[in-house]
Amino acid sequence: EVQLVQSGAEVKKPGESLKISCKGSGYSFTSYWIGWVRQMPGKGLEWMGIIYPGDSDTRYSPSFQGQVTISADKSISTAYLQWSSLKASDTAMYYCVRHGDYGDYFDYWGQGTLVTVSS
Amino acid sequence: SYELTQPPSVSVSPGQTARITCSGDALPKQYAYWYQQKPGQAPVLVIYKDSERPSGIPERFSGSSSGTTVTLTISGVQAEDEADYYCQSADSSGTYGPYVVFGGGTKLTVL
Repeated sequence: EVQLVQSGAEVKKPGESLKISCKGSGYSFTSYWIGWVRQMPGKGLEWMGIIYPGDSDTRYSPSFQGQVTISADKSISTAYLQWSSLKASDTAMYYCVRHGDYGDYFDYWGQGTLVTVSS
Repeated sequence: SYELTQPPSVSVSPGQTARITCSGDALPKQYAYWYQQKPGQAPVLVIYKDSERPSGIPERFSGSSSGTTVTLTISGVQAEDEADYYCQSADSSGTYGPYVVFGGGTKLTVL
């Protein structure tokens, strides 16, 4: 069974750094793109970027380029999303997603990680 | 930029047919995908490649495409179908692709 299990909720202050994780299991982690999707409170879904764990090829949405860093450690089947300096506007639910077999869509979703940034 | 437009809300009575549309200039060239999101839950893929249904998704969910508009149809709507629905597409033609876009979402209310 394919599973994406994300790290737990975080509460941070503006300016702090953060790295959240997503561990894949039940499939070949290095053979599928893994992405991240943001959902701000009461809002819709926004694609942030993707990484191919096999060779760490990474692509970012123009809206998130330079704002976050996506990485992966294939030895432990885990992808990461990190911020160097959080802002209150980063408060959101973040989902990791696996790319589907037939195109640029997401067939499996993690349970989400809620990030709250508040002073 | 590439945009997908959905109606904010659709309401139907149980047993009726719900149709949720999604419009975008690139849809004649790119596939569309649909996700269902219930309150407090992660989204679930319900349609891929315009009209294909993943395993485990009820047959009452179907998708179609015509020109710049794709449609998610839910036949015989049930109370459990009340959720937010998002369309999604991607432009993979660029050298730095893909560029993934979601529609703004449609809240389906079952009256």
